Amino acid sequence: ETGVTQTPRHLVMGMTNKKSLKCEQHLGHNAMYWYKQSAKKPLELMFVYSLEERVENNSVPSRFSPECPNSSHLFLHLHTLQPEDSALYLCASSQGRGGGDTGELFFGEGSRLTVL
Amino acid sequence: GDSVTQMEGPVTLSEEAFLTINCTYTATGYPSLFWYVQYPGEGLQLLLKATKADDKGSNKGFEATYRKETTSFHLEKGSVQVSDSAVYFCALSDSGSNYQLIWGAGTKLIIKP
Repeated sequence: ETGVTQTPRHLVMGMTNKKSLKCEQHLGHNAMYWYKQSAKKPLELMFVYSLEERVENNSVPSRFSPECPNSSHLFLHLHTLQPEDSALYLCASSQGRGGGDTGELFFGEGSRLTVL
Repeated sequence: GDSVTQMEGPVTLSEEAFLTINCTYTATGYPSLFWYVQYPGEGLQLLLKATKADDKGSNKGFEATYRKETTSFHLEKGSVQVSDSAVYFCALSDSGSNYQLIWGAGTKLIIKP
């Protein structure tokens, strides 16, 4: 496997369920990100991990809980979500926070979440 | 705060037409500017970038010039193909954003054969 891999690609859950999204990067990068992508809105940065430490949390509700056990893996734990949380959740990685000198982030294909 | 504004889509063109997607920005410092592209069912990928005024980024026939005087970074391509159909995102990074990318809302491009 190469690049950034996200699983599952699609997830449907009820508001009382608990589920997790998984991201794995095979690029040797030291920073990882969770973004929320909603139709016709700018990408919303949710969390940033640099060297496995959370360095940003952009006022994300506590029903979203990130976990970064090592520099290659990132999880987003979901519980008691709301229908408005339905969106595409994108994971990205980079060498250097914010993409370092190049500003280049490498994205996974995303996990499409539907909350019923 | 920093922000990026893109033209709303979708933009629909015929194959071989000339493409312009407008992007303007506001920033407190001297930002680097980026265009990312998202093909259907895929994640975003960097298309091109420019790091200082008057720089031109180019890739896959696409070009964008960093215009400080008009705070713009418009994306252009001389002759589009069906395979260029995608969503295009303009973004910036600078000290005012703590070097995190600030994104535009994206512009969907549809190319008809």
